[in-house]
Amino acid sequence: AQTVTQSQPEMSVQEAETVTLSCTYDTSESDYYLFWYKQPPSRQMILVIRQEAYKQQNATENRFSVNFQKAAKSFSLKISDSQLGDAAMYFCACLTKSNSNYQLIWGAGTKLIIKP
Amino acid sequence: EAQVTQNPRYLITVTGKKLTVTCSQNMNHEYMSWYRQDPGLGLRQIYYSMNVEVTDKGDVPEGYKVSRKEKRNFPLILESPSPNQTSLYFCASSLSGRVRSPLHFGNGTRLTVT
Repeated sequence: AQTVTQSQPEMSVQEAETVTLSCTYDTSESDYYLFWYKQPPSRQMILVIRQEAYKQQNATENRFSVNFQKAAKSFSLKISDSQLGDAAMYFCACLTKSNSNYQLIWGAGTKLIIKP
Repeated sequence: EAQVTQNPRYLITVTGKKLTVTCSQNMNHEYMSWYRQDPGLGLRQIYYSMNVEVTDKGDVPEGYKVSRKEKRNFPLILESPSPNQTSLYFCASSLSGRVRSPLHFGNGTRLTVT
């Protein structure tokens, strides 16, 4: 079975500091996409960053970057210079093939708290 | 503006009273999907549709129906809602289910069944 695991139900960080959210995944497919989504209290699902499995270079979007360790099947999210607006639930997801279609498998989420 | 529109945002109903949550996208996307989100479980797929008139069960389809008569619309139907269907529901779409493309989400529907 294809799974995504986020082992940290909740994380907290001081404003302006750096925090890393963990994610591991399990898929037998060689072709997949990895995502981090952010869900603020407004409930909207916002795409933060994505990584294609065949790319070795870690994706970066401003203060957000990933550490993609393909052999270890690990896909952690690093948030630098944390801001109050970063407080949200963060979900890791893997887009992979299932019965010839691509489907998104989700982790359970990590609640990120930013301390002022 | 490219978007996925879900309605209503909030819905409170009673057990057994049929309801429909609408979903519409204006991006000409082939793939549409419904998820439910419950605390500690992340998002679980209910049903998905690869294209018009093509729908398939996801991981938790029991108690739900969908239809895809037009490309832009993908309503979620609860024929006889029960309290265990109290949840946050998301509709999403992407260009195609056969290629790797990111999902675009609606703003969610908070459903409470009493």
